[in-house]
Parts: sequence; C-alpha cells; structure tokens
Amino acid sequence: AQKVTQAQTEISVVEKEDVTLDCVYETRDTTYYLFWYKQPPSGELVFLIRRNSFDEQNEISGRYSWNFQKSTSSFNFTITASQVVDSAVYFCALSEARYSNTGNQFYFGTGTSLTVIP
Amino acid sequence: DSGVTQTPKHLITATGQRVTLRCSPRSGDLSVYWYQQSLDQGLQFLIQYYNGEERAKGNILERFSAQQFPDLHSELNLSSLELGDSALYFCASSVADISGNTIYFGEGSWLTVV
Repeated sequence: AQKVTQAQTEISVVEKEDVTLDCVYETRDTTYYLFWYKQPPSGELVFLIRRNSFDEQNEISGRYSWNFQKSTSSFNFTITASQVVDSAVYFCALSEARYSNTGNQFYFGTGTSLTVIP
Repeated sequence: DSGVTQTPKHLITATGQRVTLRCSPRSGDLSVYWYQQSLDQGLQFLIQYYNGEERAKGNILERFSAQQFPDLHSELNLSSLELGDSALYFCASSVADISGNTIYFGEGSWLTVV
C-alpha cells in the first residue's frame, strides 16, 4: 500500500488563483515527519518544509501555507495567488521514526504537476 | 542552491557501457542518498550511506553499486547499461542518519542510454 498518496496527478490554474495540493499519508507510528519538495522544470528537487507529527500548527511562508491534520492523515499545501514560477511538480514525503535504526527512509508520493497559466 | 554537488549534469552513453556518477554532500552532512527518477517509476530510493557505511538499500539493481569515501563524497556506478536505465539520478545528503532528518537534493545527473 502507498504510504503517501497524492491523488492529484496534474492541476492547472490561472495565474493569481489559489491552489491546494493534497497529500494523504499512512503510518502506524506516533512519531513521524512530513515534507514537501518542489521540482521545477529544470529538474532539481527543492526542499520546502518539514513538519513533525507533534506539531499540528499550520505554517505560512509568504504565499505558501501548509495544513497538517492528523485526524485525516493529511498534509496539504496551498499556494495563494499563484504565479507562473510556481509551475512545477510537487512531492510530499513521509519519514517514519520506527525505522530510525535502518537509515533515514523517505516515502515519496508520486507528485502533483502544477501548471500555472499566465 | 542546496549545497549538494553532482557531476556530470548530463551524460549520454551506449548500452552495455559503464558510468560513474559523483556526489559531494553539503558541508557537514555525513549521510548520502541516491535516488533514481524515471518517467514511469517516479522517485525510487536506491541506497543510503552514513559516514562511509551502507545504511539502507532500496531498489538498487545488482548492476549498480555505490560507495561513500572517507572525505564523504559518494559515487554511484552503473554498469551493463540498458535503455531502461535512462533516468535522472539524484544524490541527496543529510546531517545525520536519524529518521526525520531533512534530506537536501543535488541538481541531479541526467543519464541517457542510447
């Protein structure tokens, strides 16, 4: 079973619209970590945010915000007033503490491709 | 710029050949990871090293091998290359080997096997 599910394969929005990228995860651990990465067309993977399972506060960074809800096992990412430069593939990832003695294993979702149309 | 350096950025080679991808982790990072990203397989974890020792193995083919050297740089060796090995290969690094450490990715090495 997929530990991280990003059900939205592709999303297109018009510039200045808000967009939310969904991420649902599955774990039996009480301690775990969630991440978002951005992969622009140039190919590099850029780290955006890390959140541990004990911190359910929403986070805002400029036009980016993240909504972590343990009750629904979701860690959604919202871009406000989207811009063309936001066009990229976005990956959600999970790291479980239970595997701490076997390396730092990450489970990546399959990614959501966001296209912002000017 | 994540601080993780990968070379070469692009590589074209023929089937059956052998290539070596190189990675320098961020300054101070002891752990190195290799990932493969292809169109049909998504991001696949290959292998992780910590301070020179192998820590975790993922879907790494027997034709592939890796190592981390005393100066902490790492190499991924791909041999008997097949067309299906064409992919973007990422190196990533983290400070430690502890679960939940953020991993920072390099820009990747684009490998095309023809």
